[in-house]
Amino acid sequence: AQSVTQPDIHITVSEGASLELRCNYSYGATPYLFWYVQSPGQGLQLLLKYFSGDTLVQGIKGFEAEFKRSQSSFNLRKPSVHWSDAAEYFCAVARNQAGTALIFGKGTTLSVSS
Amino acid sequence: GAVVSQHPSWVICKSGTSVKIECRSLDFQATTMFWYRQFPKQSLMLMATSNEGSKATYEQGVEKDKFLINHASLTLSTLTVTSAHPEDSSFYICSARGLAGGNTGELFFGEGSRLTVL
Repeated sequence: AQSVTQPDIHITVSEGASLELRCNYSYGATPYLFWYVQSPGQGLQLLLKYFSGDTLVQGIKGFEAEFKRSQSSFNLRKPSVHWSDAAEYFCAVARNQAGTALIFGKGTTLSVSS
Repeated sequence: GAVVSQHPSWVICKSGTSVKIECRSLDFQATTMFWYRQFPKQSLMLMATSNEGSKATYEQGVEKDKFLINHASLTLSTLTVTSAHPEDSSFYICSARGLAGGNTGELFFGEGSRLTVL
């Protein structure tokens, strides 16, 4: 069965520092992968997605993610974090094809210190 | 981008009553909608998949008689929590895939509905 693991429950980063949030997936075929951000009490906003092609994906708000099949990873990165980036981040994999239900990781809470 | 709206965004009810949550796609037609449940500090757990004009498909462990889902039109799906109990208190989030979504996986999420059962 598909699954997503986000090893880090909580990360604190200084404003202006770089960020990497880890995501590992378990999937038998080519996965469709997503990163979402959730602010407190809010719904989800899509940051970026990977279906095929270039393994380095650019998203909104300056985020990027790299798909590494050999490591079953899809880590999210940002070169310089802003205080407004503090939120909950979820990695997800589509259940069996793009457009179907998503399986989410447990999320990583990002705190930004000044 | 496409907009999915949920209503109400916050509801408090007494134990034993039923609560209906609406999920609307505002600027596209949604053939499929998904309902998720999120406990505090937890991930989103898929409850059911709702296809317009047909019965919802529930995930294992989700009580279909307790969580009634209706997808009567291409722009509206409803989740009714029947005979609610305090343990049903949660954040319920819907997502929708449009007719034009194809295989691009474009899913749009609502802002969520927080249910508190007293």
